[in-house]
Amino acid sequence: DGGITQSPKYLFRKEGQNVTLSCEQNLNHDAMYWYRQDPGQGLRLIYYSQIVNDFQKGDIAEGYSVSREKKESFPLTVTSAQKNPTAFYLCASSITANQPQHFGDGTRLSIL
Amino acid sequence: AQSVTQLGSHVSVSEGALVLLRCNYSSSVPPYLFWYVQYPNQGLQLLLKYTTGATLVKGINGFEAEFKKSETSFHLTKPSAHMSDAAEYFCAVSGLTSGTYKYIFGTGARLKVLA
Repeated sequence: DGGITQSPKYLFRKEGQNVTLSCEQNLNHDAMYWYRQDPGQGLRLIYYSQIVNDFQKGDIAEGYSVSREKKESFPLTVTSAQKNPTAFYLCASSITANQPQHFGDGTRLSIL
Repeated sequence: AQSVTQLGSHVSVSEGALVLLRCNYSSSVPPYLFWYVQYPNQGLQLLLKYTTGATLVKGINGFEAEFKKSETSFHLTKPSAHMSDAAEYFCAVSGLTSGTYKYIFGTGARLKVLA
């Protein structure tokens, strides 16, 4: 069954630590996205990639980094520069940028 | 520039009553419009989409939405609410801006269904 897998489901970060959230898709989609969701604020775009080896900053990229070395994978690193990382992170993919997005089940990141 | 406005962040309806979730958009080009549903601690699932053609779009779980260009609206409706419809609903718009498709989500509407 095709879909998007995010791991881990829950993640805890210590002060000054970088953490990486995994996102893998087997839908053969070109475009992939990372969103941050906070209560009452909807989805805010962190980074997106429309093709392998290329990605662009979204609206709230500061303190985050990504890579897109393979079509199937789009990991997100939350760096120590992100001072308020506690949120629900969602990864999505789509065939092309104007088509419906398919979402993973999210990773909830908290600070220890 | 594109934008999406969802009026009413919290909506309550009685079981069996009409569900109406409002979405207004702004787009300088013909938009693609979407409704998604999110259950607690899960990702978003596509309910329905409008690209071109028929303006009344039917989706999953008995939901439908009508694209009204003159009103720049894409409201989501369901004739009879079920307890299982309780969730958060997001409207989204996609359109070409400076040669790139931008995808914008609304802030969401939490639907509560009362027994």
